Amino acid sequence: EPEVTQTPSHQVTQMGQEVILRCVPISNHLYFYWYRQILGQKVEFLVSFYNNEISEKSEIFDDQFSVERPDGSNFTLKIRSTKLEDSAMYFCASSRLGGALHYEQYFGPGTRLTVT
Amino acid sequence: AQKVTQAQTEISVVEKEDVTLDCVYETRDTTYYLFWYKQPPSGELVFLIRRNSFDEQNEISGRYSWNFQKSTSSFNFTITASQVVDSAVYFCALSFQGAQKLVFGQGTRLTINP
Repeated sequence: EPEVTQTPSHQVTQMGQEVILRCVPISNHLYFYWYRQILGQKVEFLVSFYNNEISEKSEIFDDQFSVERPDGSNFTLKIRSTKLEDSAMYFCASSRLGGALHYEQYFGPGTRLTVT
Repeated sequence: AQKVTQAQTEISVVEKEDVTLDCVYETRDTTYYLFWYKQPPSGELVFLIRRNSFDEQNEISGRYSWNFQKSTSSFNFTITASQVVDSAVYFCALSFQGAQKLVFGQGTRLTINP
């Protein structure tokens, strides 16, 4: 069964460094998302992406963050200058369609980001 | 504002007991979608069910069942004859017209003891 994959599974970085988290969505899906989950807390939406542009973003998704679909398969989240509070599990998700239909989103296994 | 409340932070039961996880949502939209996700100890989020606001039929899938009641803005999840493998954090989530994002509740940690 197709699944969303994410790399790396765990990334440790120093404060101020740039990190890129990578995701390969399910191949026939058109909508892509990033969420984060700070340890022990609820899952929070960061950004959604469709047709090569951001369709929605949250207040968390400030200028430090960017997303890109550099080729036909990868979807990346870049954090330009990491802060301690960026430490979290980052989930990538994809859905077959969106718009008015709100299909279910399938999540990857997550990347645990630790900022020291 | 859109909000999902899962008032039960943790539930612990003995195997084979039935257990119900509560979910209450808030939205002004007449069209919205409700979801349940499971997060086992390994950490991934596993999709369980999607429901739209026009479909109030209850759903059963094996030992899992969902009760959607618009009158009380609730979308509760029942596991019948629970098993140790059901131990996980369960999240209820909402999406609404004009937005693709999922708004998650705080989650309920369910522990099934042998």
